[in-house]
Amino acid sequence: NAGVTQTPKFQVLKTGQSMTLQCAQDMNHNSMYWYRQDPGMGLRLIYYSASEGTTDKGEVPNGYNVSRLNKREFSLRLESAAPSQTSVYFCASSELGGTYYNEQFFGPGTRLTVL
Amino acid sequence: GDSVTQMEGPVTLSEEAFLTINCTYTATGYPSLFWYVQYPGEGLQLLLKATKADDKGSNKGFEATYRKETTSFHLEKGSVQVSDSAVYFCALSDLVTEGGKLIFGQGTELSVKP
Repeated sequence: NAGVTQTPKFQVLKTGQSMTLQCAQDMNHNSMYWYRQDPGMGLRLIYYSASEGTTDKGEVPNGYNVSRLNKREFSLRLESAAPSQTSVYFCASSELGGTYYNEQFFGPGTRLTVL
Repeated sequence: GDSVTQMEGPVTLSEEAFLTINCTYTATGYPSLFWYVQYPGEGLQLLLKATKADDKGSNKGFEATYRKETTSFHLEKGSVQVSDSAVYFCALSDLVTEGGKLIFGQGTELSVKP
């Protein structure tokens, strides 16, 4: 099993450009998440999808959109990139339904720079 | 809302030293607690977890005990190695008040010197 995979690994954008970060998991998990990691800030939740067909805002959703394409895939879109979105982006998944705790499995991350 | 506070880093230790990374939390429900580790250039990996008060999580020589009375979940290791150099994140999951989302502390960077 590959676990959680993310593409691309690195990306440089100019201000105003758009792009989509891709995430896929092969663990048959119901829930998927997008985080951003900034120095000294820990991980902050951008959007999550508790189950296929649903998406909800997290702590820092402004400037982002998401699509839960199917049970395996959860993409994050930046419509008009800004320098403040320079960050490392992590996708995660978990089998939330039926468990009383939420162990999440993380992808390797996408390092995004917006000039 | 729920929150997690970790001791600030970076923490620099010599090999075989004793490690403690402090973590305290605030929660209105009955959260589960986690320590995640992030090695350079990688994503986060679950290191250990505890799902109820007085539980002790352990893995790879690391331990943490869920202390409800002090709302703490401090990470300890008796003898660190250079390979333990990483960033460590304390996190909680509260199904009642946060719908199971993970709430992370800011992370503590550990550097172990030979």
